[in-house]
Amino acid sequence: AQSVTQPDIHITVSEGASLELRCNYSYGATPYLFWYVQSPGQGLQLLLKYFSGDTLVQGIKGFEAEFKRSQSSFNLRKPSVHWSDAAEYFCAVGARGSQGNLIFGKGTKLSVKP
Amino acid sequence: GAGVSQSPSNKVTEKGKDVELRCDPISGHTALYWYRQSLGQGLEFLIYFQGNSAPDKSGLPSDRFSAERTGGSVSTLTIQRTQQEDSAVYLCAIPPGQNYGELFFGEGSRLTVL
Repeated sequence: AQSVTQPDIHITVSEGASLELRCNYSYGATPYLFWYVQSPGQGLQLLLKYFSGDTLVQGIKGFEAEFKRSQSSFNLRKPSVHWSDAAEYFCAVGARGSQGNLIFGKGTKLSVKP
Repeated sequence: GAGVSQSPSNKVTEKGKDVELRCDPISGHTALYWYRQSLGQGLEFLIYFQGNSAPDKSGLPSDRFSAERTGGSVSTLTIQRTQQEDSAVYLCAIPPGQNYGELFFGEGSRLTVL
């Protein structure tokens, strides 16, 4: 069965520090992969996606993610975190050929220290 | 988000009562999704509508849950005989374009069952 694991429930980083949020998936073939962000009091917003091709994908707000097939991972990174990045981040996987239903991880809450 | 309006934004109900949650997307979107976000559980797919096709109800957790979409626009999610475990934020989403997996979420309806 398809699944997404985000091992870290809560991460705290200092402003200006680098960030990596982990995501591992279980799927029988190459899936579509996504990162969404949910800021306090706001709806979910797509940060970036991977469909095929270059395994390093760039997203909005300076985020990037790298698809590593051998590790079944799609970790989200940002070189320098801003206080406004404090939010909850969700990794999601979609099955090719399906109707587009996404399976989400349980999320990682990011806190940013000044 | 502005493209998807959900109501009510907050609903408190007593165990055993029925509730209706409404999703009103901007016109022109044939696809519509309902997800549930429970505390600490990430997002859970509930149901998917695509045009006039039969909806994909595979995510509905029990027969107390039902949804309809009339006229290809407004959708209502109905929960009968609510239970405390139904407490969650119910999110409606539409795909803003043709890109698979890119979902535009509403701000959700927060349901609290006492």
